[in-house]
Formats: sequence, structure tokens, C-alpha cells
Amino acid sequence: GDSVTQMEGPVTLSEEAFLTINCTYTATGYPSLFWYVQYPGEGLQLLLKATKADDKGSNKGFEATYRKETTSFHLEKGSVQVSDSAVYFCALRGAGGSYIPTFGRGTSLIVHP
Amino acid sequence: GAVVSQHPSRVICKSGTSVKIECRSLDFQATTMFWYRQFPKKSLMLMATSNEGSKATYEQGVEKDKFLINHASLTLSTLTVTSAHPEDSSFYICSANIRGTMNTEAFFGQGTRLTVV
Repeated sequence: GDSVTQMEGPVTLSEEAFLTINCTYTATGYPSLFWYVQYPGEGLQLLLKATKADDKGSNKGFEATYRKETTSFHLEKGSVQVSDSAVYFCALRGAGGSYIPTFGRGTSLIVHP
Repeated sequence: GAVVSQHPSRVICKSGTSVKIECRSLDFQATTMFWYRQFPKKSLMLMATSNEGSKATYEQGVEKDKFLINHASLTLSTLTVTSAHPEDSSFYICSANIRGTMNTEAFFGQGTRLTVV
């Protein structure tokens, strides 16, 4: 079945540092890929998405590129802020049309001033 | 954008009582909603898929008699935790997809923190 693997956290960075959170997936066909962010005590918010190979999703300075050849969708940001501290989830929606997303375990990001 | 509202955001109940959590899509119709339980180490566990006008589909290991799901309309699904026990304390999150479109992302409620004492 489909699966998503994320790097273990927490990731601890200083403000303005470069961020990478790795995400790889296993799925048949061409799934849609997503990054969600969860702030403390809240639900999940869609951060960005990509629906086909080589697409780049971007939002709020975050970017991720759909790499079919490496089955990856790594999240990057050039300069993190304290307000980016949250848990980040990589997810996919199967190419078969299922609306049920498959989530990674989440990566906690802590940004210090 | 599509908004999903979950209520209550926090609830404390006594052991043995039942608690109802509501999930509403405010500006779109959702034939399907999903209920998740989030454990302390952050992972999301899909509990069930709620289908409007029909029975919910439960994931393996989830007790359907304990976690009652009702999807009475295209904008409302409810999760009732019956005879709650302390081990049911958790963060419950719902999500929904927009009906009749090719949108692929799920929209999430803000979650409900359930504490059973």
C-alpha cells in the first residue's frame, strides 16, 4: 500500500537558518503530494501541494518539488522564523482517486531566536 | 477557502459518560469526511471514513460501537465517544474533501482535545 516516510525530529534551528525536511513516498502511479503544518493545539493546515511530477509547490517561503525519479517531496525554506515552529506532515493522495490521504509521522520544527 | 469547523475544541468529561464532537464544512458540501485520532508523538491515525447518508467505514481495530459516527447531512458529521474511559483521552481531528470537484487536498478542522477523568 501507499506509505510516506519523513525524517525524524525534532529539527532545531536558529532563526534565519535554512530548513530541509525530507519526505519520501511509496505509491503506485502518480499520487498528489502535500505538506501540512500543525501549530500547537490546532488542526492541520495545507501548506503546499504538487499534483504531478516536477511540479513545485510553494507558499509562505516554503517550497517542495515533486521528484518522481527519487519518489521524494522534500520541504525547504531559505530562512526560517520563530513563527515557523510547528509540526510538519508530508502526505499523499493515491493516484487511484481515493480521497483518503496517507500521512507521514510528522516532523517537529523548533526555531530559536 | 474551504473551512471546516470542529466543536468543541476542548472537552473534559467523567469516565463512563459520552461525548459528541461535531465537524462541519462551512462553505462547501462534503459527501465524505474523515475522523483521525492523534497520539502524543504526533502521528495521525485514521479512525473512520464518514459517508453522507450511509454507514461509516471503520479502520481495522477501531471499535464501531464505541466511536459512533453519523453523517446526517452534506455539511455535518458527528463522532460520539461512548462510555469514555481515560485511555480515550486524545486529540481528535476531522477532515473533509470538497464534493464534486477535482480538488485533492483535505481540509481539516481545528481538532478537539478530549480529556476523560
